[in-house]
Amino acid sequence: GAGVSQSPSNKVTEKGKDVELRCDPISGHTALYWYRQSLGQGLEFLIYFQGNSAPDKSGLPSDRFSAERTGGSVSTLTIQRTQQEDSAVYLCASSLGPLGPYEQYFGPGTRLTVT
Amino acid sequence: KNEVEQSPQNLTAQEGEFITINCSYSVGISALHWLQQHPGGGIVSLFMLSSGKKKHGRLIATINIQEKHSSLHITASHPRDSAVYICAVSSPDKLIFGTGTRLQVFP
Repeated sequence: GAGVSQSPSNKVTEKGKDVELRCDPISGHTALYWYRQSLGQGLEFLIYFQGNSAPDKSGLPSDRFSAERTGGSVSTLTIQRTQQEDSAVYLCASSLGPLGPYEQYFGPGTRLTVT
Repeated sequence: KNEVEQSPQNLTAQEGEFITINCSYSVGISALHWLQQHPGGGIVSLFMLSSGKKKHGRLIATINIQEKHSSLHITASHPRDSAVYICAVSSPDKLIFGTGTRLQVFP
């Protein structure tokens, strides 16, 4: 079966523009996660959805970041008024059940470059 | 102090050596994950542990809940094991990551 897919794979945008990143989880996976990995840095947890709801949005770096998930499937991460410090690889993962005792399956990531 | 600490940060080994990577955490968790990230960025989940020990091929992961410590062992290491190994813990509503251990195995 298909794994987690993300689009676009690469995105170059000018500072100040809005970008939307998409994640398609594995079919049937109820939990979906967004992470960020800046160049040479570790993984940073952004947000987690169980179904369509996100219990805790405090991991989002600023109010320019928002995420939604509809129909318990596809999720979009939107960054408004992008800044150069937003440049990073944005990774999505999904799991069969809620955060904790379920293995996570990672997508290939979207590499975002803000010029 | 980070909530999840890994050691060592960097590790080099000769092919065939036994390797241990350690992870300590300071928060309450529901599970601990070991992830592997190869050059080029793809991340694979190796183990998810809530107690005891798990084994997949040459990889073994253990966790001691009382001591808040986990270890990842690689037996008979091979150059293809070269990657960054990341420990992450599931704490309510988020994952907390260690900074990773960069492993290089030379032939």
